[in-house]
Amino acid sequence: GAGVSQSPSNKVTEKGKDVELRCDPISGHTALYWYRQRLGQGLEFLIYFQGNSAPDKSGLPSDRFSAERTGESVSTLTIQRTQQEDSAVYLCASRETTGYSGNTIYFGEGSWLTVV
Amino acid sequence: GQNIDQPTEMTATEGAIVQINCTYQTSGFNGLFWYQQHAGEAPTFLSYNVLDGLEEKGRFSSFLSRSKGYSYLLLKELQMKDSASYLCAVRNAGNMLTFGGGTRLMVKP
Repeated sequence: GAGVSQSPSNKVTEKGKDVELRCDPISGHTALYWYRQRLGQGLEFLIYFQGNSAPDKSGLPSDRFSAERTGESVSTLTIQRTQQEDSAVYLCASRETTGYSGNTIYFGEGSWLTVV
Repeated sequence: GQNIDQPTEMTATEGAIVQINCTYQTSGFNGLFWYQQHAGEAPTFLSYNVLDGLEEKGRFSSFLSRSKGYSYLLLKELQMKDSASYLCAVRNAGNMLTFGGGTRLMVKP
């Protein structure tokens, strides 16, 4: 597709269950970011992947959160033993890292997670 | 670490001009971005500044002063559809992008 694609778009899960969120970046984009946005609040950085370098995991809030990315393709964000405070929209963004266009970061539509 | 401050809310009148300020503190500055986010939607890119000065793009302009750690987004000829949150974001040398809390702009007739 032409843009960043995320799935599922909406997920309702019971407290304590694990969830997996998926992001398909724009083809050829080597950089990929995950952010969390609680209702009415700003974007909270979670993790950043750049090519084959070690990811920057400094924003992950706890060890229940993890993310993987294989090469420059799909990324998955996994939340284990979900809690109600995890309810938020999880936004994925990707960026081309060469040329002037590498300064534009494109966001997906987000995965809206509700933990009940 | 990085610290980014912007006003929480602003109100302006249709047809007017509004300036949304952003101040930041960062180590290894590598660019400042403005994004627009309508309620329930993903952020969309508006502008990018890495050198001091004004970047103009239609009704929207963005200004940067690196020495002052300051930027503003200027919206001219406001339209009702400009009601949205405007997010200031700073990129550091490691390419980590940190967002401010966003400014919710309400445009009134």
